[in-house]
Amino acid sequence: GAVVSQHPSWVICKSGTSVKIECRSLDFQATTMFWYRQFPKQSLMLMATSNEGSKATYEQGVEKDKFLINHASLTLSTLTVTSAHPEDSSFYICSAQGPGGGTEAFFGQGTRLTVV
Amino acid sequence: AQSVTQPDIHITVSEGASLELRCNYSYGATPYLFWYVQSPGQGLQLLLKYFSGDTLVQGIKGFEAEFKRSQSSFNLRKPSVHWSDAAEYFCAASGGGADGLTFGKGTHLIIQP
Repeated sequence: GAVVSQHPSWVICKSGTSVKIECRSLDFQATTMFWYRQFPKQSLMLMATSNEGSKATYEQGVEKDKFLINHASLTLSTLTVTSAHPEDSSFYICSAQGPGGGTEAFFGQGTRLTVV
Repeated sequence: AQSVTQPDIHITVSEGASLELRCNYSYGATPYLFWYVQSPGQGLQLLLKYFSGDTLVQGIKGFEAEFKRSQSSFNLRKPSVHWSDAAEYFCAASGGGADGLTFGKGTHLIIQP
C-alpha cells in the first residue's frame, strides 16, 4: 500500500516555543491530507483537512492560529503548533488521500508531542 | 450529526477464542467504513474497509467484518484470537470525497492466556 511518513516521531519542547510536524506521502500524490489529534487512551479527533495549494479547513473548536497547516506540495503537509503549552501535549497523526477521493486515506506513524 | 459508536470500551478474550467487536454508525447516507488497529504509541494499521458490494469483508490478520444496513452496524470478527491481537481497535466512517474520518472511541482488546 501507499506509504505516509511523519516526522518527527516524538518531540519535546519548552512551553512557548513552536513545533513543526511534517507529513509526507512517499509514493503517491496526496491531494488531501488530514490532521488528527489523540489524547491518551482516547480516540482520534479530526483537527483539519488540507488540500494542496489552498487553505486548510479546520474543525469546530480547533484554533487555526495555533495549529498552522501548510500543504504546499502534493507530497508534503506540515502542522505547526505555535506557542505550545502543556495542554497541547498529545499524539498527532496525519493521513493522506490520493487524487481518487472517497477511498482509503493512508496514515503516518504519528508524532508524540510533549510540552514541558 | 455523524457519529460512530463502539459500545465496548474493554473486551477480554481467551487466546484461541472467537472475537466480535461492535460498531454502529449514524450517517446521512451509507458511509465508507473502516476498522483500524493501534498498538501502544503507534500509528494506525488498516484491517479492512467497506465501500460497497459484498457485505462480508475480509481483511488482514484473519479479520472480517459484516456490514448490516438495517442495523447500521459494521462489526469486526475473528474466529480465533492470538496473543498478538491485543491492541486498541477503532471503527471509523467517512462520507467519501475529501471527508476526514469519524472515529469511534475504540475498544481495548485484552487476550487472556
